[in-house]
Amino acid sequence: RKEVEQDPGPFNVPEGATVAFNCTYSNSASQSFFWYRQDCRKEPKLLMSVYSSGNEDGRFTAQLNRASQYISLLIRDSKLSDSATYLCVVNSISGTYKYIFGTGTRLKVLA
Amino acid sequence: NAGVTQTPKFQVLKTGQSMTLQCAQDMNHEYMSWYRQDPGMGLRLIHYSVGAGITDQGEVPNGYNVSRSTTEDFPLRLLSAAPSQTSVYFCATTRGRQNEQFFGPGTRLTVL
Repeated sequence: RKEVEQDPGPFNVPEGATVAFNCTYSNSASQSFFWYRQDCRKEPKLLMSVYSSGNEDGRFTAQLNRASQYISLLIRDSKLSDSATYLCVVNSISGTYKYIFGTGTRLKVLA
Repeated sequence: NAGVTQTPKFQVLKTGQSMTLQCAQDMNHEYMSWYRQDPGMGLRLIHYSVGAGITDQGEVPNGYNVSRSTTEDFPLRLLSAAPSQTSVYFCATTRGRQNEQFFGPGTRLTVL
């Protein structure tokens, strides 16, 4: 089993739709969780960190479920510009800088 | 403030050639790392450094060397390039309360 797993997609959704991605992780001792966005042929860029209580940034909401070992990302009112690959990232060992990346979920928002 | 810079943007090598990928950051961060990204796979950690003079291996270190003589620079050396090292290479540094990572623009390397 991979340490971090994501549905690769693609998710094709119309503009204005709400879309949700899940990501599961295998190491119950994982401490830090992130969502990154990666555009085609570009570097990953931090979208948001995921806090235990859940957090929201505009149209984006991230949740952490430690009991079931997954994190989620909800995008409301999708825009064409949201089309990208979304990477789930987990800091697998507390106190270290070893990050494990999921393979990413592709989102395509259609006009 | 340029953040994380990488050179070159593109490189084509022949099998057996050596080269150095450059990475520099102007944020005075201690932690720097190198990843490779291949189709269908997540970013994989090659080497990392927690400060000048300190480096350690990541998940896929074979075929790569690093050194960290200054806080700003973290070069990645390929001693004898192989076609399996064809990939996109990203350098990253961390900052923030949760040690969020910030990436350079990447180097696309092709080994023939």
